[in-house]
Amino acid sequence: EAQVTQNPRYLITVTGKKLTVTCSQNMNHEYMSWYRQDPGLGLRQIYYSMNVEVTDKGDVPEGYKVSRKEKRNFPLILESPSPNQTSLYFCASSFLGQGNNQPQHFGDGTRLSIL
Amino acid sequence: GDSVTQMEGPVTLSEEAFLTINCTYTATGYPSLFWYVQYPGEGLQLLLKATKADDKGSNKGFEATYRKETTSFHLEKGSVQVSDSAVYFCALRPNRGGADGLTFGKGTHLIIQP
Repeated sequence: EAQVTQNPRYLITVTGKKLTVTCSQNMNHEYMSWYRQDPGLGLRQIYYSMNVEVTDKGDVPEGYKVSRKEKRNFPLILESPSPNQTSLYFCASSFLGQGNNQPQHFGDGTRLSIL
Repeated sequence: GDSVTQMEGPVTLSEEAFLTINCTYTATGYPSLFWYVQYPGEGLQLLLKATKADDKGSNKGFEATYRKETTSFHLEKGSVQVSDSAVYFCALRPNRGGADGLTFGKGTHLIIQP
């Protein structure tokens, strides 16, 4: 089954304790990205990657890191989490072909609470 | 920059009512347009898409037409069901060579009452 898998689904942690949210896709997609969803703000892109070892900032990258060492995986790293990073996070992936008409496929989300 | 504006709701309708959720956008060139749906506790699922002017996307009884002249992509359904209750997101993806992700509206919470 084609899917984007995120882990963990839920996490409560404390300020400053490094954490990683994993994302894996099995569709051989070149493009992967991370979004955060906040009430009243919709979804905003944090980082994206167009292929292995190619990453770039989205609209709200501050406080986050990513890596793309393998095509299927795109982990999101919070080196020193702060309460304003409490949010619902989504990983998404898509093909890059045919211009930008490729829809993105989303994972089920990771709800992070930073105390 | 690019932006998407949609009614935020909540929008409450009775079962079998006609649904319209308005969506307008601002973007350079000819972006691709999408509607995503988010059911409670789940991720976003693609509902339909349109990639050029006058294209009509359709799925599960929902339709939306890409109107370049009014920069709109309104979502419609002729007869809604309780199972359609969800949050609906309008989104665009710029046609600038593949680097851009989706720009989303803030989402419309739809509630269908029996």
